[in-house]
Amino acid sequence: GQNIDQPTEMTATEGAIVQINCTYQTSGFNGLFWYQQHAGEAPTFLSYNVLDGLEEKGRFSSFLSRSKGYSYLLLKELQMKDSASYLCAAQDSNYQLIWGAGTKLIIKP
Amino acid sequence: IAGITQAPTSQILAAGRRMTLRCTQDMRHNAMYWYRQDLGLGLRLIHYSNTAGTTGKGEVPDGYSVSRANTDDFPLTLASAVPSQTSVYFCASSPAGGGTDTQYFGPGTRLTVL
Repeated sequence: GQNIDQPTEMTATEGAIVQINCTYQTSGFNGLFWYQQHAGEAPTFLSYNVLDGLEEKGRFSSFLSRSKGYSYLLLKELQMKDSASYLCAAQDSNYQLIWGAGTKLIIKP
Repeated sequence: IAGITQAPTSQILAAGRRMTLRCTQDMRHNAMYWYRQDLGLGLRLIHYSNTAGTTGKGEVPDGYSVSRANTDDFPLTLASAVPSQTSVYFCASSPAGGGTDTQYFGPGTRLTVL
């Protein structure tokens, strides 16, 4: 079957660095997406990886290892506004997105 | 308007009633999607459309129907609502569909079926 695993909740301190892990198992693979979702709002796109390695975009970076079925989202210099859920989604052979349940990130001052 | 709009924002519905959730995008995207989001579960695809005039079933299509008469609109209909359809419904669109393109989401509709 198809499955995405990510931690339910994480806590970090303002100004620190946090890494949110995601493992995936899909029928075929066409890329890995990360989205941010603030409470009561819609998901918004953060990053996309299809090749192995690290993609950096400002304070946010995303890593992919296709051989391990593994990705992580790295958030640096955490700000209070980064408190949100982070959704991992893998694209299967039919180009459909399979979504994880999301990781709720709590930032403390 | 810019982006994707959904209506209504929220709705309380009696079981057995028919309900249509509306979704409109002005980005001229080919593909559109309907998801439901439940606490503790990931987004689950209900139906999708890769281009106007075509639709397909997602992971959880039972009890729902869609139509895609034109590029902009993608309504979702619950023919006879049941309490298990209580959820937050998100409409999304992407430029190409069927490829590795980014999906953009509407603000969502919170539906409660009693």
